[in-house]
Amino acid sequence: DTEVTQTPKHLVMGMTNKKSLKCEQHMGHRAMYWYKQKAKKPPELMFVYSYEKLSINESVPSRFSPECPNSSLLNLHLHALQPEDSALYLCASSQDPGSTYEQYFGPGTRLTVT
Amino acid sequence: TQLLEQSPQFLSIQEGENLTVYCNSSSVFSSLQWYRQEPGEGPVLLVTVVTGGEVKKLKRLTFQFGDARKDSSLHITAAQPGDTGLYLCAGALFSSGSARQLTFGSGTQLTVLP
Repeated sequence: DTEVTQTPKHLVMGMTNKKSLKCEQHMGHRAMYWYKQKAKKPPELMFVYSYEKLSINESVPSRFSPECPNSSLLNLHLHALQPEDSALYLCASSQDPGSTYEQYFGPGTRLTVT
Repeated sequence: TQLLEQSPQFLSIQEGENLTVYCNSSSVFSSLQWYRQEPGEGPVLLVTVVTGGEVKKLKRLTFQFGDARKDSSLHITAAQPGDTGLYLCAGALFSSGSARQLTFGSGTQLTVLP
């Protein structure tokens, strides 16, 4: 089973709202990732969690706040977003941060900021 | 400067034609993955190549890793409309550290017309 699940599938939020994106995997993977993807462009890395600790933050604005409650779950808390933050947000996981780096992606959350 | 150059960026062909997508870099990768992504969905892992000169086949898709592990190609034989999608190569660089990241190519948007 190589499934990564994400909820919600779609999210529309105003610039003053607070919302959260959720990601879950039950493959025993120890690295989890958040990516942002604009249409027809490659994913852009936002955060990496390695063994439930934040190991990479790609200079993401503080209006995006990641959280890793346990080894299976990854959240992305959103607050005071801008319209340019509208994108597909992808979660991914890999078995071991130091292995062959095969990453398995979830279906994504399509976020629209109005 | 893009670390992984992917070409062509767009490709529109007729059903039954063959095509090749290229992924090139001046850097050496420890492994390279190919993904296919359909609109509104997350990237799906197609293959991982690890050894220089390695060739892997997945039905009508043939993947090759360059001898020097700096480049890769994806060849599709007798393309079908179901092959339509965004093809992404992603490489893992040799490095030390606890959490490494993939470097994505710019993507190839393939359209196969019936």
